[in-house]
Amino acid sequence: DVKVTQSSRYLVKRTGEKVFLECVQDMDHENMFWYRQDPGLGLRLIYFSYDVKMKEKGDIPEGYSVSREKKERFSLILESASTNQTSMYLCASSFTRGGGLTDTQYFGPGTRLTVL
Amino acid sequence: AQSVTQPDIHITVSEGASLELRCNYSYGATPYLFWYVQSPGQGLQLLLKYFSGDTLVQGIKGFEAEFKRSQSSFNLRKPSVHWSDAAEYFCAVGFEAGANNLFFGTGTRLTVIP
Repeated sequence: DVKVTQSSRYLVKRTGEKVFLECVQDMDHENMFWYRQDPGLGLRLIYFSYDVKMKEKGDIPEGYSVSREKKERFSLILESASTNQTSMYLCASSFTRGGGLTDTQYFGPGTRLTVL
Repeated sequence: AQSVTQPDIHITVSEGASLELRCNYSYGATPYLFWYVQSPGQGLQLLLKYFSGDTLVQGIKGFEAEFKRSQSSFNLRKPSVHWSDAAEYFCAVGFEAGANNLFFGTGTRLTVIP
């Protein structure tokens, strides 16, 4: 079974703090993704990576950065958290570099981040 | 512009009744189509997907979906709903071959009444 794990299920941070959300997949997948999920908006892609040290902006990258130093790990970084970044964050991975949309994305359980 | 719409925010059905969840997209060519389910406290799980070929696709948990090009729709169906089907359902659409971006609908929350 593919397993995508996220470091925290719930996280509470203060405005201005630097926040790290970690995602690990155990299936040697090439591609990894970060989404945020908000009521009434569905899922929106923040960043994705198709290789170690490679990253691509998604639809809403502002206020976020990412890091992929190892193939199995993809980190989302909020340099200075703001209240409008309170959301559910979902990590996903898929197998084939260049496999594109035909590849199934496997999702982690999500991290619910609250910024006070 | 490309878009995906799930017109129903919340649907309530009785256990054993049939279910249809709607998904419409706006795009000139045939997109890549997916349905995902999110149970409470869980990540998303793929139910089924359509890229080409037979327009009726079977998925896991007894779900099926039908692609109708003329209506730009990809509706999800199940003939008899179980209480464990209560969850949020997301339609997702990919518009460009080779791209990684999926566009998700806003979701439909399903409540199942005993």
